Amino acid sequence: GAGVSQSPSNKVTEKGKDVELRCDPISGHTALYWYRQRLGQGLEFLIYFQGNSAPDKSGLPSDRFSAERTGESVSTLTIQRTQQEDSAVYLCASSLGLAYGETQYFGPGTRLLVL
Amino acid sequence: TQLLEQSPQFLSIQEGENLTVYCNSSSVFSSLQWYRQEPGEGPVLLVTVVTGGEVKKLKRLTFQFGDARKDSSLHITAAQPGDTGLYLCAGGKGAQKLVFGQGTRLTINP
Repeated sequence: GAGVSQSPSNKVTEKGKDVELRCDPISGHTALYWYRQRLGQGLEFLIYFQGNSAPDKSGLPSDRFSAERTGESVSTLTIQRTQQEDSAVYLCASSLGLAYGETQYFGPGTRLLVL
Repeated sequence: TQLLEQSPQFLSIQEGENLTVYCNSSSVFSSLQWYRQEPGEGPVLLVTVVTGGEVKKLKRLTFQFGDARKDSSLHITAAQPGDTGLYLCAGGKGAQKLVFGQGTRLTINP
C-alpha cells in the first residue's frame, strides 16, 4: 500500500516569498504530524492534527507558519515571508490515531532552501 | 528546550565492532521509540518500549528502557555497514506527541 507522500521533494525560494508544502497521509490514518529537521539535527515538532479535534499548534515557531488539513486527508504547511532560518527538511508523519506511543509513518520530507 | 539528550552525537567504527548509543532525560516518558533515518528519507520506527526495565531485541540490535523510564540505550553487536544511518530516540509524553533527541549519526566502515 502507499505510504506517506510529500511534495515537492525539494523547494528553493527567495527570502520573503511564501511557500506551501503538501502531505498526503496513509489512507485511514486520523492523526497527522508536521516536524522540522535542521541539518544534522533531530526532529522539532510543529503541529498535530487528530480527527476533527482542534489541532495542537504548540510547536509552530512563529505566526508565519500555519497548517491546514482537509478532513482526514491532505495537509498543507504554509510558511509566509520565508527567512533563511526556515531552511530545513519538513517531515510529515501519520498514524492510526488510536493510542499514544503508536507507530508514526514518515514521508520522505520536503527540503526547503531559502536564499 | 531539549528534553532528550543522545550520546554520542557522532560515532564512526569498524565493521564487526560493538557499540552503544544512549538516550537520557530528566523527564519520565510513557513510551520510548527508536527510529533509523537514512539520507533523503524519513525516519523508520525500529522499536517501541513502554515498560520500565524492558529489553527488546531485533536481530543484532538490543534496546533497553531504564527502570525509571527516563533513559534508554541501543546496543548493536557486530556492526555492519548497512547499520550506517541517523538513529533517533523519541519519548512519548501526553497524547501522541513525541519529543525527539538530536540523533546519533553512526558510520560503520568496511
